[in-house]
Amino acid sequence: EVQLLESGGALAQPGGSLRLSCAASGFRFSTNVMHWVRQAQGKGLEWVSSISDTGLSRYYVDSVKGRFTVSRDNSKNTLYLQMDSLRAEDTAVYYCAKDRVPVVPGTGTFDNWGQGTVVTVSS
Amino acid sequence: EIVMTQSPATLSVSPGERATLSCRASQSIGSKLAWYQQKRGQAPRLLIFGASTRATGVPARFSGSGSGTEFTLTISSLRSEDFAVYYCQQYNNWPPITFGQGTRLDIK
Repeated sequence: EVQLLESGGALAQPGGSLRLSCAASGFRFSTNVMHWVRQAQGKGLEWVSSISDTGLSRYYVDSVKGRFTVSRDNSKNTLYLQMDSLRAEDTAVYYCAKDRVPVVPGTGTFDNWGQGTVVTVSS
Repeated sequence: EIVMTQSPATLSVSPGERATLSCRASQSIGSKLAWYQQKRGQAPRLLIFGASTRATGVPARFSGSGSGTEFTLTISSLRSEDFAVYYCQQYNNWPPITFGQGTRLDIK
């Protein structure tokens, strides 16, 4: 059974930093493109970032470029999102998600999701 | 960026009836369209990809159609567990990947 477990969400001050983690199990993590998707309270879904199986290719939504960094450790089956220069508009539930097919560059569809971790940016 | 527009924002339907949800892309995306269901307090669930292919375990009462810029999700006979928010998502030439704003399906 595929399991994705996010952690690291917390209350952070504007301009601060957080590092989210997503521990994966139940599938061959090292061969899958992985994604981060966020959802502000009461709002819709927003794709944030994606990373290729090797970590060599990384993609971001424009609003987080230069502030967020996605990475992965295939030896630990873990996905990360380093969030710097946080803004109030980054407040959301952050989900990690697995790409549907283990191909590069990925399909861009998400067949398994974690339960999410809450990030709140406020002074 | 491809903008996805869903309609209606809210749809009220009685159990056992058919629900039809619409999604429009600001430019052609071929069949690179997925649908997700999200229940309150839960993560989204993939229902449909490739505009019309049901994901593993998705009941046959869910069907998707369309191509280009116009897409439809149909739920043929609503059950109580189907009342949720539904999102369409395009993945044509990503990044970026973009979602519609969602359609809330309520019990009438």
